[in-house]
Amino acid sequence: SQKIEQNSEALNIQEGKTATLTCNYTNYSPAYLQWYRQDPGRGPVFLLLIRENEKEKRKERLKVTFDTTLKQSLFHITASQPADSATYLCALEETALIFGKGTTLSVSS
Amino acid sequence: GAVVSQHPSWVICKSGTSVKIECRSLDFQATTMFWYRQFPKQSLMLMATSNEGSKATYEQGVEKDKFLINHASLTLSTLTVTSAHPEDSSFYICSARDPRLGTALYGYTFGSGTRLTVV
Repeated sequence: SQKIEQNSEALNIQEGKTATLTCNYTNYSPAYLQWYRQDPGRGPVFLLLIRENEKEKRKERLKVTFDTTLKQSLFHITASQPADSATYLCALEETALIFGKGTTLSVSS
Repeated sequence: GAVVSQHPSWVICKSGTSVKIECRSLDFQATTMFWYRQFPKQSLMLMATSNEGSKATYEQGVEKDKFLINHASLTLSTLTVTSAHPEDSSFYICSARDPRLGTALYGYTFGSGTRLTVV
């Protein structure tokens, strides 16, 4: 069965630095990979979708890369702010979205 | 943008009773909705796919007689936890995809979740 790993459970960085989160997957060849943000006690919010033929995608301070050879996606937040503190989820789509466990990012001022 | 409304946001019920959670797509029609469950510090686990006008599809290990799903209209799916027990206490979240948005560009929209506590 497919497996999605976000190998950092928690990441602590200082304000202004770049946060880099990793998502690895196995036994799967997704057409798209998605990233979501989840705040405590809330449902996930869609951030970015990257297709298998796209190497990189950007949205404001967010950047996602997708390496289908390595079976890996990297999610970057540049110039991080305390308001970026949340759990970030990587997801792949089969008949529904399947999620990784998430990485909880804490940005300190 | 696409909005999914979920109610209630939290509920406390006694063991053995049933609880109904509603999920509505407010500005789009959803032939398919999805129900997830999330335990503390765990990922979202897909429970079932709710199909308008037909039976839901349940994931392996999810008891369909315990978690009743009804998708009676294109904008409403309900999840009823029957004979709830403390181990059913969890965060339940629904989601849907706006068919007007390109699947190659946009992801899913999630409800705000329901915190169920069974005492």
